[in-house]
Amino acid sequence: KAGVTQTPRYLIKTRGQQVTLSCSPISGHRSVSWYQQTPGQGLQFLFEYFSETQRNKGNFPGRFSGRQFSNSRSEMNVSTLELGDSALYLCASSRSVAGDHYEQYFGPGTRLTVT
Amino acid sequence: AQSVAQPEDQVNVAEGNPLTVKCTYSVSGNPYLFWYVQYPNRGLQFLLKYITGDNLVKGSYGFEAEFNKSQTSFHLKKPSALVSDSALYFCAVRDRVSAGNNRKLIWGLGTSLAVNP
Repeated sequence: KAGVTQTPRYLIKTRGQQVTLSCSPISGHRSVSWYQQTPGQGLQFLFEYFSETQRNKGNFPGRFSGRQFSNSRSEMNVSTLELGDSALYLCASSRSVAGDHYEQYFGPGTRLTVT
Repeated sequence: AQSVAQPEDQVNVAEGNPLTVKCTYSVSGNPYLFWYVQYPNRGLQFLLKYITGDNLVKGSYGFEAEFNKSQTSFHLKKPSALVSDSALYFCAVRDRVSAGNNRKLIWGLGTSLAVNP
């Protein structure tokens, strides 16, 4: 079974631009979560989707948004990029919705650099 | 507020010695508890989890963790460390009682484990 895939793997943008990152979960997984990972802040939760609905969200500004499609693939968008948005963005899928005990499977991440 | 603490930013241990990576949490009830590992230049991988039952949970690569309800801890252990265990370890906790956004997975900041040959 193929793992979680994320595209693109690397991205360089300039301040003020917007970016869209994509995530394809493991086949059969309906829950997708997004995280921002930085050396100083660890793993910060962005949002979680299940069946095209946002179930949970973290404490990020409205510039960060996401969506999930009917095939469980998910995208996240960051508008008006800031230097502080430079980070590794991780996508994770699991078998079920928030509140369950299923473990998450992570993709390799998208490394975003904002200049 | 719900939180997870990994009190040590870095743990150093000699190869062959036992290792412990600590995790304590502040979440209501009996949460689900997880450990994940991130090897250099590789993605995050699930190691083990506690759902219910036996307080000692065994996982991948010879790791185990002990759930202690009274101390609200879930420390990760391995009897004999390998150099290849050097990685970043994350503890995560999910509330199984609350509704809505309070049931999200809460992550510790990670502990960097260095195993010296």
